[in-house]
Amino acid sequence: GQNIDQPTEMTATEGAIVQINCTYQTSGFNGLFWYQQHAGEAPTFLSYNVLDGLEEKGRFSSFLSRSKGYSYLLLKELQMKDSASYLCAVRLNRDDKIIFGKGTRLHILP
Amino acid sequence: EPEVTQTPSHQVTQMGQEVILRCVPISNHLYFYWYRQILGQKVEFLVSFYNNEISEKSEIFDDQFSVERPDGSNFTLKIRSTKLEDSAMYFCASSATPLLGYTFGSGTRLTVV
Repeated sequence: GQNIDQPTEMTATEGAIVQINCTYQTSGFNGLFWYQQHAGEAPTFLSYNVLDGLEEKGRFSSFLSRSKGYSYLLLKELQMKDSASYLCAVRLNRDDKIIFGKGTRLHILP
Repeated sequence: EPEVTQTPSHQVTQMGQEVILRCVPISNHLYFYWYRQILGQKVEFLVSFYNNEISEKSEIFDDQFSVERPDGSNFTLKIRSTKLEDSAMYFCASSATPLLGYTFGSGTRLTVV
């Protein structure tokens, strides 16, 4: 089976930094994605890692360690609008489909 | 910015009825997908479509489901005889290449009563 694990919920304060972790055990690996999903809306693409290391994009950064089956999404200078679910997703080698974890619901406190 | 368009945004149907969910992918995209998300659960893969045929389908995508690209712009998901457990948000997605992330449509909320 395919397992993608991430915490169910996290809480952080406006202006702070938060790190959302994701571990995966999958039959193949050809890239890891992070998506943001506001309640009742579609997922929107945040980042993509296929090689080990850190990818930075504005306030958001994503890290990947393929040997550890581990990724994290780092959000800096948190804003209230960052309150959303963050979905970790893996593309398997053989197929082009992406499979999603259950998502981490992030609550931002003023 | 180009977007994936889905219609209708909401659909209520009686159990056993057929529904067709419609999607207009981004015009230069070649790979198309349907996902669903039952309320409070994870986004689940249903089917991928490339070069006018199904590339892969999940175990959820049984004989009650079918997809079509009837013309150069639309991509449809048909559920022949809906069940209560088909109630979910259905997302269409497209991509120019699988190497990049998908662009998702805003979804169709299907409620089977």
